[in-house]
Amino acid sequence: GAVVSQHPSRVICKSGTSVKIECRSLDFQATTMFWYRQFPKKSLMLMATSNEGSKATYEQGVEKDKFLINHASLTLSTLTVTSAHPEDSSFYICSARIGGGSETQYFGPGTRLLVL
Amino acid sequence: GENVEQHPSTLSVQEGDSAVIKCTYSDSASNYFPWYKQELGKRPQLIIDIRSNVGEKKDQRIAVTLNKTAKHFSLHITETQPEDSAVYFCAASINSGYALNFGKGTSLLVTP
Repeated sequence: GAVVSQHPSRVICKSGTSVKIECRSLDFQATTMFWYRQFPKKSLMLMATSNEGSKATYEQGVEKDKFLINHASLTLSTLTVTSAHPEDSSFYICSARIGGGSETQYFGPGTRLLVL
Repeated sequence: GENVEQHPSTLSVQEGDSAVIKCTYSDSASNYFPWYKQELGKRPQLIIDIRSNVGEKKDQRIAVTLNKTAKHFSLHITETQPEDSAVYFCAASINSGYALNFGKGTSLLVTP
């Protein structure tokens, strides 16, 4: 149980294009989903917290107009990197929380983005 | 905001020895402390967690201790095996927000 999937697993795009990453909770309804970014050999940095049906809460320094987050259902959240640039190349990982007071977060497998 | 410090950044032990990784946190309101194991290119996997109303928790070869007064918590792995080699992250969160603040990670290498 508590499986989180991400799609795509890796994507290569040209500078200036937009990329959408999907995060799905497969066997549970996720009250809250989180988006993290991880550079090589570095820690996970929280980008934003996403609650179903409401606007995402972004961490300081994360541009909300560049990283668009939509959490339209209890099983799906999407992150769109708009007008991607080489410095946006990173490993993007989502996580999902079941809710009901549970703090446990289950992570997706991550999406490796390379912007040329 | 919450600041989580993790030490050491790298740790090398021989198979069968114990490994200890330590973390400190800054926000006394933090009340949930999970530990994740991440293999190269893979997702972080929860290996153990502890809540602020508990001082110690054990699961087979893995244990976590929490000192709320000193605001630090530690991961203990006994009888290490080569497959324990990975990067380990500690994290802390406040119940009201649930967002995790991660430490910088410890790269553990267990040599046969």
